[in-house]
Amino acid sequence: EIVLTQSPGTLSLSPGERATLSCRASQSLSSSYLAWYQQKPGQAPRLLIYGASTRATGIPDRFSGSGSGTDFTLTISRLEPEDFAVYYCQQYGSSPSTFGQGTKLEMK
Amino acid sequence: EVQLVESGGGLVKPGGSLRLSCAASGFIFSSYSMNWVRQAPGKGLEWVSFISSNSNYIYYADSVKGRFTISRDNAKNSLYVQMNSLRAEDTAVYYCARGPLGVVVISWFDPWGQGTLVTVSS
Repeated sequence: EIVLTQSPGTLSLSPGERATLSCRASQSLSSSYLAWYQQKPGQAPRLLIYGASTRATGIPDRFSGSGSGTDFTLTISRLEPEDFAVYYCQQYGSSPSTFGQGTKLEMK
Repeated sequence: EVQLVESGGGLVKPGGSLRLSCAASGFIFSSYSMNWVRQAPGKGLEWVSFISSNSNYIYYADSVKGRFTISRDNAKNSLYVQMNSLRAEDTAVYYCARGPLGVVVISWFDPWGQGTLVTVSS
């Protein structure tokens, strides 16, 4: 199965700053089949990005995804207070679908 | 509004069984594939099972294969998972999550229900 490694484990930033989250796959992903989710405490995950770079419905344009092959990035251009959460990447190009271990974005 | 509401979680002894349900509303349930995804307490996400819109395609994670059975009733807009031979490591919040329209493979998940907690302990 494909292993996704997210880095850093924890990212400490302030509102207004730019956040860059990484997701690296153990094998190349076919057709950029990678998604990103946001999860806040006590809540279900919310889809942010699919197809590596397509924003889901209703997701603000400060969220952007990029990458291909084995290296993918989620960028939040200017952090809002509500963006502090845990972020997961998911690959769905190879069965079984797998998730990264998560990056916690915390307020400095 | 698209909504997924899970139910059926609870405390069960190792070796026991439990059936989870997910009630869907706000969309044409019979047109979408569905999934179960779980999250152990304080841990990350793990995909568990997939069922296509017409139940023709069903997949399981190796960790639950042979013990869990996914099913759906399109007339009732409901998704189910029958969980047998439960183990301590099955303890998790179980989410139902919708796949994209018309696909027969595992894809992204959107939206997710609020989850139901399953605790396997003696």
